[in-house]
Amino acid sequence: EAGVTQSPTHLIKTRGQQATLRCSPISGHTSVYWYQQALGLGLQFLLWYDEGEERNRGNFPPRFSGRQFPNYSSELNVNALELEDSALYLCASSLWEDSNQPQHFGDGTRLSIL
Amino acid sequence: AQSVTQLGSHVSVSEGALVLLRCNYSSSVPPYLFWYVQYPNQGLQLLLKYTSAATLVKGINGFEAEFKKSETSFHLTKPSAHMSDAAEYFCAVRRGGFGNEKLTFGTGTRLTIIP
Repeated sequence: EAGVTQSPTHLIKTRGQQATLRCSPISGHTSVYWYQQALGLGLQFLLWYDEGEERNRGNFPPRFSGRQFPNYSSELNVNALELEDSALYLCASSLWEDSNQPQHFGDGTRLSIL
Repeated sequence: AQSVTQLGSHVSVSEGALVLLRCNYSSSVPPYLFWYVQYPNQGLQLLLKYTSAATLVKGINGFEAEFKKSETSFHLTKPSAHMSDAAEYFCAVRRGGFGNEKLTFGTGTRLTIIP
């Protein structure tokens, strides 16, 4: 069974540009979560999507947004990039119907802002 | 609100020695607790989970953790460290039940194994 896949592996942008990160969940999983792992800030929850709807949002500005497609894959968009957006962005998926189930993570997209 | 405290950002143990990584949680309702491991340049891999069944939870790679409600702790242990255990370990908490799927992570503990 394929795990959570994220693309691209690395992304280099400059300040003010826009970045799009992609995530494919484990087959059968309907929930997708995004986390930011920034140096010195730890793992912070960004967004949670389930059945195409945004279910919860972390303490991030509106320039962080995303969506979930009918096939449950997801995009994270970051507009007006700032230097402090440099981080590893991790996507996770789970079965929302069963709250006992853990979140399974991909290997992340490393976003570097020059 | 939930929170997690991991005592010790860096832990070093000798190969073959006991590994003990500490995690204390705060939650207003019975929580679900998880330990994840992160190897360099990789994502998070689930080691084990506690979801209100047995308080002693066995995970992969010989790790186990014990949920102690009275101490609000969920420490991770392994009887004998192996060189391949060198990684960063994260404890995470999630409120049980539907509608609150966010994971709250501790700040992580970097485990170094001394040959």
